[in-house]
Amino acid sequence: GQSLEQPSEVTAVEGAIVQINCTYQTSGFYGLSWYQQHDGGAPTFLSYNALDGLEETGRFSSFLSRSDSYGYLLLQELQMKDSASYFCAVRGLDSNYQLIWGAGTKLIIKP
Amino acid sequence: DTAVSQTPKYLVTQMGNDKSIKCEQNLGHDTMYWYKQDSKKFLKIMFSYNNKELIINETVPNRFSPKSPDKAHLNLHINSLELGDSAVYFCASSQEGAAKNTEAFFGQGTRLTVV
Repeated sequence: GQSLEQPSEVTAVEGAIVQINCTYQTSGFYGLSWYQQHDGGAPTFLSYNALDGLEETGRFSSFLSRSDSYGYLLLQELQMKDSASYFCAVRGLDSNYQLIWGAGTKLIIKP
Repeated sequence: DTAVSQTPKYLVTQMGNDKSIKCEQNLGHDTMYWYKQDSKKFLKIMFSYNNKELIINETVPNRFSPKSPDKAHLNLHINSLELGDSAVYFCASSQEGAAKNTEAFFGQGTRLTVV
């Protein structure tokens, strides 16, 4: 079957760097995505990795290692507005290539 | 101009009632989805639909049914509402294709409360 694991909660300090890990299990892997969701809001797309390596978009970067079935989201220069839940999601053969979601990581940022 | 819009934003109703949530996307996408997000924030896909295929998550009760009058709309009908149906329901759309690196765009969500 298909499954994803990510920490339920991470706490960091404003201005710091934080890494949110995601491990997945699927056959016919077709990419790892990251979404951000603020309380009361809708998920919004952050990044997508289909190949190994690091993808950088401003303060956010996402990494993928297909051999380890592992990825992470790296947030730099944390700002209070980054307080949100972060979801990893995969597409794979098991789900007929529909997005399957992790349970989300709540990022708490302290001043 | 809102890309994916769903109405209503809030819906409070009694057990046993039948209700509908509407969703429209103006992105020209070929695939639309309904997700349920429970109080623990877990996002569960309920349906995905394009003009060729409806994929139903087999765990979704048959009281839930999607209705798509055209490519830009995917409405959700719920019959005989139960307390456990209380959740936030998100509509989303994407342009599926061979690349599969497609971003999903979400509506604002409908918070359904069954009393």
